[in-house]
Amino acid sequence: GAGVSQSPSNKVTEKGKDVELRCDPISGHTALYWYRQSLGQGLEFLIYFQGNSAPDKSGLPSDRFSAERTGGSVSTLTIQRTQQEDSAVYLCASSLAPSALDYGYTFGSGTRLTVV
Amino acid sequence: LAKTTQPISMDSYEGQEVNITCSHNNIATNDYITWYQQFPSQGPRFIIQGYKTKVTNEVASLFIPADRKSSTLSLPRVSLSDTAVYYCLVGEDDKIIFGKGTRLHILP
Repeated sequence: GAGVSQSPSNKVTEKGKDVELRCDPISGHTALYWYRQSLGQGLEFLIYFQGNSAPDKSGLPSDRFSAERTGGSVSTLTIQRTQQEDSAVYLCASSLAPSALDYGYTFGSGTRLTVV
Repeated sequence: LAKTTQPISMDSYEGQEVNITCSHNNIATNDYITWYQQFPSQGPRFIIQGYKTKVTNEVASLFIPADRKSSTLSLPRVSLSDTAVYYCLVGEDDKIIFGKGTRLHILP
């Protein structure tokens, strides 16, 4: 597609439920990144994919968080047993090159997750 | 990864030139410097990237001194629509870290 697409744009869930957030990167972009942004805060790195593999999962805040990418394209971020502190905007970005040099990241508009 | 330091917030007026400086004292030889802009309810948007000296595009200029320990993003003749958060990033890794950015507020 023309840009990075994320769905849903908004998600309200009850504490303890599982949620899945989807990211559809720009066609041909091999690198995909997930970030989290709490209200008024900067971006917190979660995980990075090169193709279907995730060389760096160091940013995932707990074992309740997992992500996968299939076919070198769509990625899903799953949060199990959601907690109120998981409430944030989850941003996905993709990049043409393995490094974001020269091209930079292209971000989606994010999924706003609210855990009640 | 090199850590960056930039002002938390800045105010300016329409039509003025705005300069936002970022410090990155432990920048590595291979690190590039990249600036992003983020509007409310949107993801960050790439503005400009450079390695040394000066880079200019249709949106901004980036000034990098010889020691590369700082960089300055220059926005010419800002308008109200330039009100946003501006992030300075340093790195050549696959995982580029965003700080809290500079919240720029343009006044009429």
